[in-house]
Amino acid sequence: AQSVTQLDSQVPVFEEAPVELRCNYSSSVSVYLFWYVQYPNQGLQLLLKYLSGSTLVKGINGFEAEFNKSQTSFHLRKPSVHISDTAEYFCAVSGDDYKLSFGAGTTVTVRA
Amino acid sequence: DAGITQSPRYKITETGRQVTLMCHQTWSHSYMFWYRQDLGHGLRLIYYSAAADITDKGEVPDGYVVSRSKTENFPLTLESATRSQTSVYFCASSVGIAGGRETQYFGPGTRLLVL
Repeated sequence: AQSVTQLDSQVPVFEEAPVELRCNYSSSVSVYLFWYVQYPNQGLQLLLKYLSGSTLVKGINGFEAEFNKSQTSFHLRKPSVHISDTAEYFCAVSGDDYKLSFGAGTTVTVRA
Repeated sequence: DAGITQSPRYKITETGRQVTLMCHQTWSHSYMFWYRQDLGHGLRLIYYSAAADITDKGEVPDGYVVSRSKTENFPLTLESATRSQTSVYFCASSVGIAGGRETQYFGPGTRLLVL
């Protein structure tokens, strides 16, 4: 079974500042890792995912994440945020089956 | 491209009533999922379906019933609603050929309030 811990429940950040959202996972088997974003009053959409290969994964809207197997982490970063990045961000993990396990979410609030 | 839709978007009901939440996808995806989203818990899987007439329990199935007579529809029924089922419900789908590697595509959600 897999599980995910998102280490920050809320992250306030100023516009054009960098942001990092932390995610740790636990799994006894091979994992696939995802970051989803939920804008206010919308469903979730995929930001990026790690399946294999390069540990640095680039996603949409300037986000990137780094898979670190030794630290069982998959932290999400963006070098310069915009007001429009205000949203809730979910880290998720899956194994060989189709079931995703989500973290509790991190709310990012970008202020001018 | 309609994608994945949910209805109703908002629902208020009373304890003990039966409620059905609808989910429809136009992609012919094999897999469909129901999640509930609660503060502090993220999304938790209620039920999922691999194909028409094939369903299985997720993490929190108690109090819910699903069916899938057609590939494109995956309704979720609360047989006798309880206050603890007040939540936001998301339906999702995925292609169904690559296992855990696949992206899931989410509907806009249904906000359910049980009084």
